Amino acid sequence: EVQLVQSGAEVKKAGESLKISCKGSGYSFTTHWIGWVRQMPGKGLEWVGIIYPGDSNTRYSPSFQGQVTISADKSISTAYLQWSSLKASDTAIYYCARHSSGYSFADAFNIWGQGTMVTVSS
Amino acid sequence: EIVMTQSPATLSVSPGERATLSCRASQSVSSNLAWYQQKLGQAPRLLIYGASTRATGIPARFSGSGSGTEFTLTISSLQSEDFAVYYCQQYNNWPPYTFGQGTKVEIK
Repeated sequence: EVQLVQSGAEVKKAGESLKISCKGSGYSFTTHWIGWVRQMPGKGLEWVGIIYPGDSNTRYSPSFQGQVTISADKSISTAYLQWSSLKASDTAIYYCARHSSGYSFADAFNIWGQGTMVTVSS
Repeated sequence: EIVMTQSPATLSVSPGERATLSCRASQSVSSNLAWYQQKLGQAPRLLIYGASTRATGIPARFSGSGSGTEFTLTISSLQSEDFAVYYCQQYNNWPPYTFGQGTKVEIK
């Protein structure tokens, strides 16, 4: 079964660092783009950025460029989203999701992780 | 950045009735348009990609149409499990691949 399993909920203070993970299984991890999507409480979906684990090609939405870092460790089929200094406004659910086809960058997400709730207190 | 506008914000429908959801792009996205369903407390699920192709395992009562800037998701006969929030997303123009703000389908 193709799946993405994310790390558990996090409660942090403003200014702290954080790295959350997304482990892929059931498919070739290096051949599909994996993206991150933010959902703030009671709100819609927002693109954060995306990575191609095969060569670590990474792209960010302008709204998130410089605010987060996306990385991947293909040896353990895991993608990451990290913050160096959290803000209260980073409080949200973060989903990882996989593109449905291979290298194509223009694609929809057909596999989603279960989401990681990040709560940041000020 | 391409802005995706969904309408209506909320759609009240009785079970068994037809639901029609709209999504408009601020500029052409060709047919690079996906629809997702999100139930409360769950991750989104891909319904439609390429504007009109159903994803694996999606029932035939879900259909998508349109190209360019105007798109429609139709649910032919609403079942109880279809009450959810629906999002469109364009993946034609980067950056970024934008989502609409969502349409909530609720029980009338």
